Amino acid sequence: QAGLTQPPSVSKGLRQTATLTCTGNRYNVGNQGATWLQQRQGHPPKLLSYRNNNRPSGMSERFSASRSGDTTSLTITGIQPEDEADYYCSAWDTSLSAWVFGGGTKLTVL
Amino acid sequence: EVQLVESGGGLVQAGGSLRLSCEASGFILSDSWMSWVRQFPGKGLEWVATIAEDEVKKFYVDSVKGRFTISRDVATNSLYLQMNSLRADDTAVYYCAKDTMDVWGQGTTVTVSS
Repeated sequence: QAGLTQPPSVSKGLRQTATLTCTGNRYNVGNQGATWLQQRQGHPPKLLSYRNNNRPSGMSERFSASRSGDTTSLTITGIQPEDEADYYCSAWDTSLSAWVFGGGTKLTVL
Repeated sequence: EVQLVESGGGLVQAGGSLRLSCEASGFILSDSWMSWVRQFPGKGLEWVATIAEDEVKKFYVDSVKGRFTISRDVATNSLYLQMNSLRADDTAVYYCAKDTMDVWGQGTTVTVSS
């Protein structure tokens, strides 16, 4: 099953802003929207946003998602050391009847 | 609090079987689409299987079709993954996840020795 496309790595300094991208097609990201997940080393994935910019209760407003066409973006403002993690996007693909994931973007905090 | 707890992982020889369990609390599992997702060592996430609310619709990644079966039990509010004919490349941490991947368990490790 084809996956979503994410850049493998991004590096940013403290208090900077990072924008992570995830590109799919009209059957997944462009149709159902996407879920963004954060995975810190040694921990399970954690929901950041779903269906593009619905944040779970208690989630920091420093994390926001948006979508333009077949691409979804996650913006992290005021980057903190604890934001160093892998970030994954995922979406239900109506053509494949399958969940598809991006390969993940590793955010390094300088 | 909505929570998922997986169990059932372990070490098994190639060709063997395992049954993974995912116990839900804080919500009715049968009201949600539920999925299994795995993570190979040092790699990204791979979707494995999904069961719809109606329990009729079940979906699988090609590499496990015919070998894995997803199911659930209303009485125990649990999700299951029966894994047969296991291969070395099934070695991974297996997570259960709710709905739009909004809630995840802590994972259970499956190691298949060849």
